[in-house]
Amino acid sequence: ETGVTQTPRHLVMGMTNKKSLKCEQHLGHNAMYWYKQSAKKPLELMFVYNFKEQTENNSVPSRFSPECPNSSHLFLHLHTLQPEDSALYLCASSQTLLRGGGTDTQYFGPGTRLTVL
Amino acid sequence: GENVEQHPSTLSVQEGDSAVIKCTYSDSASNYFPWYKQELGKGPQLIIDIRSNVGEKKDQRIAVTLNKTAKHFSLHITETQPEDSAVYFCAAPHNTDKLIFGTGTRLQVFP
Repeated sequence: ETGVTQTPRHLVMGMTNKKSLKCEQHLGHNAMYWYKQSAKKPLELMFVYNFKEQTENNSVPSRFSPECPNSSHLFLHLHTLQPEDSALYLCASSQTLLRGGGTDTQYFGPGTRLTVL
Repeated sequence: GENVEQHPSTLSVQEGDSAVIKCTYSDSASNYFPWYKQELGKGPQLIIDIRSNVGEKKDQRIAVTLNKTAKHFSLHITETQPEDSAVYFCAAPHNTDKLIFGTGTRLQVFP
């Protein structure tokens, strides 16, 4: 619908598992984002990539490892997560970064609902 | 850093009535204020945005107003319909690069 797809839509994992979340945007955008959405908390920005380069790491624990092989794809590799990491993980993309002053509207994917047991 | 406060956290209205959601921000350099609607099982979707060079913007039943002096902006939905029921988020930029989101308003429109 928005041009941003995320897989899987739901994921249940144990604390010792390793899994990856995938995001793909079909909008020709140059910037991509990972957000965490927990119940009763604001959306928290995790990482920002611009032209495949990481421009923002919002003090995210190292058990979350992002990867951006090209401007259309973004991954979030997960390992040794904690139960408090259970949340909806949202990917977004925009034409440019906000500072670019261009078309900086962020388009969100549907999210991956992650449950850590 | 930027702080965005959003009120109310929940809002119930009768179909046909108006709904108003308010946000305040702290960074006086902020110049872009989007509003997102999130339906159950979906990601947030942009419904309207306003830039600091205008005070009001309308798109059919939705309008946003901005008061830069007071550092607040509001979302107005007129003639509400049941399909307007969702969680609405405001946002404002921090350091011109990151969007800081409000905590959301759950709007319920009763038929």
